[in-house]
Amino acid sequence: EDQVTQSPEALRLQEGESSSLNCSYTVSGLRGLFWYRQDPGKGPEFLFTLYSAGEEKEKERLKATLTKKESFLHITAPKPEDSATYLCAVGPNTGTASKLTFGTGTRLQVTL
Amino acid sequence: DAGITQSPRHKVTETGTPVTLRCHQTENHRYMYWYRQDPGHGLRLIHYSYGVKDTDKGEVSDGYSVSRSKTEDFLLTLESATSSQTSVYFCAISLGGSEQFFGPGTRLTVL
Repeated sequence: EDQVTQSPEALRLQEGESSSLNCSYTVSGLRGLFWYRQDPGKGPEFLFTLYSAGEEKEKERLKATLTKKESFLHITAPKPEDSATYLCAVGPNTGTASKLTFGTGTRLQVTL
Repeated sequence: DAGITQSPRHKVTETGTPVTLRCHQTENHRYMYWYRQDPGHGLRLIHYSYGVKDTDKGEVSDGYSVSRSKTEDFLLTLESATSSQTSVYFCAISLGGSEQFFGPGTRLTVL
């Protein structure tokens, strides 16, 4: 059974204070690891897909990295608008549909 | 935003009544998915579709059925709603074994 564990559950940062979110996973053959951002009352918004260990992707203040057991979402000099819940998911390398297993998310709050 | 709409956006119903949620896409993506999101559980897959009339079960399919008669529409039906089905329901689409794009969600309350 595929499993995804995210830590910490909640994180409070001051504006400009960099940090990292962790996503540990076990999957029977990784097709892809996905990061999403979710704002209250809205659907998840796609951020990144990582396919193999050593891969990195960047978008503005966010950088996602991948190892064989975990992924990190690094947030550099965050701003209040980065406050959201960040979700991690894995897709197994079986079949053609993307049957994702999600973690429970990290709730990030960035204050002035 | 990906062209995905869900209706209704909010619904309150009573135990034992049938409920149908609709997902409509304008992206012509082959794959469509229904998830539920509950505190402490994250997003869990209910059913998915890999083409018109082609559907399969996900992790939490008991008490739910789906239908897809057109590429653009994917319906989720609760035949007899129970309080345990109170949740936020999200529809998603994808081209294949790739990233999924989510709709805005439907908040369902079963009294």
